[in-house]
Amino acid sequence: GIQVEQSPPDLILQEGANSTLRCNFSDSVNNLQWFHQNPWGQLINLFYIPSGTKQNGRLSATTVATERYSLLYISSSQTTDSGVYFCAVLNRAISNFGNEKLTFGTGTRLTIIP
Amino acid sequence: NAGVTQTPKFQVLKTGQSMTLQCAQDMNHEYMSWYRQDPGMGLRLIHYSVGAGITDQGEVPNGYNVSRSTTEDFPLRLLSAAPSQTSVYFCASSYRPEARGYTFGSGTRLTVV
Repeated sequence: GIQVEQSPPDLILQEGANSTLRCNFSDSVNNLQWFHQNPWGQLINLFYIPSGTKQNGRLSATTVATERYSLLYISSSQTTDSGVYFCAVLNRAISNFGNEKLTFGTGTRLTIIP
Repeated sequence: NAGVTQTPKFQVLKTGQSMTLQCAQDMNHEYMSWYRQDPGMGLRLIHYSVGAGITDQGEVPNGYNVSRSTTEDFPLRLLSAAPSQTSVYFCASSYRPEARGYTFGSGTRLTVV
């Protein structure tokens, strides 16, 4: 199956700093999503971005599908940004039933220090 | 609009006991799935369903059963709980597997002693 690698595994930053999280994947994808898991365990969908660039406030994401990676940018970090960020992908190159599986990376744990 | 509702939020089982984790969504999503989250391993897919009456195995299906009799509900059954099944379980739904906007439930923290 498709492999998803995220880096760095851990990131500690001062409030106000910027950060870049990376997601590499081993095959072509037609679904890539970024999620934030807050300290209470809730998973929140941030971006659906199988290709291109999107922005939402202080967060933006870019996926270069031809080079099989995606980047999540967080600017002017706040303590509420702390948590684990997951990249998840789906490879539906095979269109028959049996390939509808969203595969998650192991995440980047972000800690923002006041 | 409640989204995805999981019950219970916490559960302690003894080895060998059985139980059902409930998942319900009110968004008319066809696709539903169950994940388990263990420290350092991200989320791993247990079972999924692309519609009522259609289910398939994910990455770690052993020890779990599912059924999908309605669009709204997708229960996960542990037939004989084992300590290795201690984990946090998440249910998710979306319109289609490749669709945007997966919605996750708030999770069930299960401990098997």
